[in-house]
Order: sequence, then C-alpha cells, then structure tokens
Amino acid sequence: GAVVSQHPSWVICKSGTSVKIECRSLDFQATTMFWYRQFPKQSLMLMATSNEGSKATYEQGVEKDKFLINHASLTLSTLTVTSAHPEDSSFYICSARETGSSNEQFFGPGTRLTVL
Amino acid sequence: DAKTTQPPSMDCAEGRAANLPCNHSTISGNEYVYWYRQIHSQGPQYIIHGLKNNETNEMASLIITEDRKSSTLILPHATLRDTAVYYCIAFAKYNFNKFYFGSGTKLNVKP
Repeated sequence: GAVVSQHPSWVICKSGTSVKIECRSLDFQATTMFWYRQFPKQSLMLMATSNEGSKATYEQGVEKDKFLINHASLTLSTLTVTSAHPEDSSFYICSARETGSSNEQFFGPGTRLTVL
Repeated sequence: DAKTTQPPSMDCAEGRAANLPCNHSTISGNEYVYWYRQIHSQGPQYIIHGLKNNETNEMASLIITEDRKSSTLILPHATLRDTAVYYCIAFAKYNFNKFYFGSGTKLNVKP
C-alpha cells in the first residue's frame, strides 16, 4: 500500500514550452501533497504544498506563476512548469500524506525534466 | 524546523552494521526525527521515525540520545542494495507537515 506514482517519468521539451507533471496517490486519499525539486548531487528542495480544493502555498523564492499547481482531487496533484527554460531542467519529486493518518510522507519516483 | 547535520559520506563493509549519525541540537520537544533514504534517481523511501524512545522496525533501528540532540540510524546487516543517500529530518507537526531535507549522508556499502 501507500504508493505514489508520477507521470511522466521523464520528459524532454523545447525552451518556451510548458510541461505538466502528474502526481497520483494510488491506494489512499491525500488532502496534502508536496512538490520538491532536486538538482544533480544536491538535496531535495521543497517547492510548494498542494492542498486539495484550495490554492497551493509556495516556499520563499519559488515563482508561483512559473510553477502552477492544481490539486483537483484527493488523489491527483499536477505541477505545470510554464515557459520552461534550460535552468528549469531538474528532477521533480512529489510526495503525499494520507488524509487523517500519520505524518509520514510517501514519495513518488520522480520526473526528470530536460529543457533544450 | 530544527536544522540537522550529517556527515557527507560513510563507508561500510557488506554484512556489517552501518551506523549513521545525525545532529539535531536545536530540536524542540515536539519535533520528531524522521529518516528517509534515496537510491540514485529514485524518490525517497521512508525508513523509520521516533520522538523520544528508541525505535526498531524491519529495516533499521533508531537510537535517540536522552537529550534528543542527536540520533543514530542503524542498519544491522548492510547489503550492497543499501547504498544510498540517507536523510535525517527534524519534523514538527504544526508546520503544515512540511519536510525540509538537509544534505544527507551518502552511504557506500562495499563488498
């Protein structure tokens, strides 16, 4: 149980295009999901907290108009990287916390974004 | 959340116990210690967590000092598959359940 999936697992896009990444909790409901970014040889950096039915909250320094987050259901959150540029190339990871359960976060496998 | 500090890397022989230290000297009374690991290019995997008492599960043991300023994750019989980056996180429930990852320890298990 407690499986989180991400789609796609990797994506290559041209500079200026937008890319959508999906995060799904497969066997549990998640009121709250989190989005992280990880550059090579670095740790995970929390980008934003995604709350079902309400606006996401972004960490300081993360552009909310650049990284659009939608949490339309209790099992799905999406991250859209708008007008992507090469510096947005990174490993994007989501996590989900089961509604009403412990504080443990379950992480997805990550999405590798490469912007040419 | 309290900041955690970990050594950047450690080596361990296969079959031996791996002891990974974490310093969290500014931890507050209601902050838990969580451990996750990340195998290359994968999402982090939950290992164990604790508040005050030592904890053990099928993966590892967590030893928390009495003053809670540090902890040690113990993998009793390390295998090559345990090679990963191990993250120690001090987590407070009141902070909207956010995890802030430190730099972690790269554990190299060698044959």
